Amino acid sequence: EAGVAQSPRYKIIEKRQSVAFWCNPISGHATLYWYQQILGQGPKLLIQFQNNGVVDDSQLPKDRFSAERLKGVDSTLKIQPAKLEDSAVYLCASSPAEGGARDTQYFGPGTRLTVL
Amino acid sequence: AQSVTQPDIHITVSEGASLELRCNYSYGATPYLFWYVQSPGQGLQLLLKYFSGDTLVQGIKGFEAEFKRSQSSFNLRKPSVHWSDAAEYFCAVGSLNDMRFGAGTRLTVKP
Repeated sequence: EAGVAQSPRYKIIEKRQSVAFWCNPISGHATLYWYQQILGQGPKLLIQFQNNGVVDDSQLPKDRFSAERLKGVDSTLKIQPAKLEDSAVYLCASSPAEGGARDTQYFGPGTRLTVL
Repeated sequence: AQSVTQPDIHITVSEGASLELRCNYSYGATPYLFWYVQSPGQGLQLLLKYFSGDTLVQGIKGFEAEFKRSQSSFNLRKPSVHWSDAAEYFCAVGSLNDMRFGAGTRLTVKP
């Protein structure tokens, strides 16, 4: 079974530029998550999708971050414009059921973003 | 609000020695508790989880964790560490649709 795929693996941009990350979850997984992991910290949930609807985006900085999950499968996370403090690893995860804390999440390798 | 504390930022143990990584949580009810491991350049992998029942939970790679309600702790243990266990370990607490991670403990294994 293929795991969660993310691209690109690394991205370097200058502040005020835009960037997009892509995630392909495990086939058949209903729930998709985006996390931000700043160096030295644990992952922080940015947004959770159930199929193609948003379940929780309370910690997503909506003035600059946006995310979508087309047709309930792939997802993209965009930052526009980027700030220095957005430098982090962006992790995508998926889970097979309808979400909820009991559901095991499977993580992709992440995209490391450096904002100069 | 729920929170997770991992008091040890970095731990070094010798190969073959026992390991205990500490995790304390704050939550009003019985939470769902998890331990994940993250190797360099890799995503997080679930080691074990606790929802209810037996407070001693067995996981993959020879790890176990014990839930102690009175101490609000969920410590991870392994009787004999292997060099391949060197990684970052994260404790997490979940409820409904919310998952909170600790800051992580980095494990170094000496030969």
